[in-house]
Amino acid sequence: AQSVSQHNHHVILSEAASLELGCNYSYGGTVNLFWYVQYPGQHLQLLLKYFSGDPLVKGIKGFEAEFIKSKFSFNLRKPSVQWSDTAEYFCAVRHGSSNTGKLIFGQGTTLQVKP
Amino acid sequence: EAGVAQSPRYKIIEKRQSVAFWCNPISGHATLYWYQQILGQGPKLLIQFQNNGVVDDSQLPKDRFSAERLKGVDSTLKIQPAKLEDSAVYLCASSLPRVWDTDTQYFGPGTRLTVL
Repeated sequence: AQSVSQHNHHVILSEAASLELGCNYSYGGTVNLFWYVQYPGQHLQLLLKYFSGDPLVKGIKGFEAEFIKSKFSFNLRKPSVQWSDTAEYFCAVRHGSSNTGKLIFGQGTTLQVKP
Repeated sequence: EAGVAQSPRYKIIEKRQSVAFWCNPISGHATLYWYQQILGQGPKLLIQFQNNGVVDDSQLPKDRFSAERLKGVDSTLKIQPAKLEDSAVYLCASSLPRVWDTDTQYFGPGTRLTVL
């Protein structure tokens, strides 16, 4: 079965440290890729998305992600985290050839940024 | 623009009871999704509607779960009877009627269900 794997379940960083959260998926065809973020007490929000074109995607709040097709990866990065980035981060994949909008989510990574 | 609305936000019931959740999508969004998010896991799609028709309900436990979107706008998800393992957050999402390979979903705040 198709799956999405997020390598880090819980990450703790100090402010200004660099961040990279891993995401790998198991589908070999065309994919749409997403990172969603859930801040404490808030709902899931779209951070960035990749549909086609430039594999380096820039999102809100200084986040970016790089699609590496050969590695089936879509890692999330931020050069300098802030305390306000404390949240849960979900990677999601949609099969590009599918005729539905179904997203397959990873299990999530909890990021804690220490001030 | 108003976001996806869900109610109630929290619900506690005993096993074998029934429960219903309501979702109102963003205005103009033809596609509506219900996801189940168990603690420590990512959301899992239960059912997808396009207007008032079902597109995908392959992961909906149909012996106890049902959902409807009669007028193609708001939707109700029901569990009858509930089991302990149904304890989760139930998320509703919606998206515009675009072609699927540019579809972006917007999520509501969720309903946290606890089954005792």
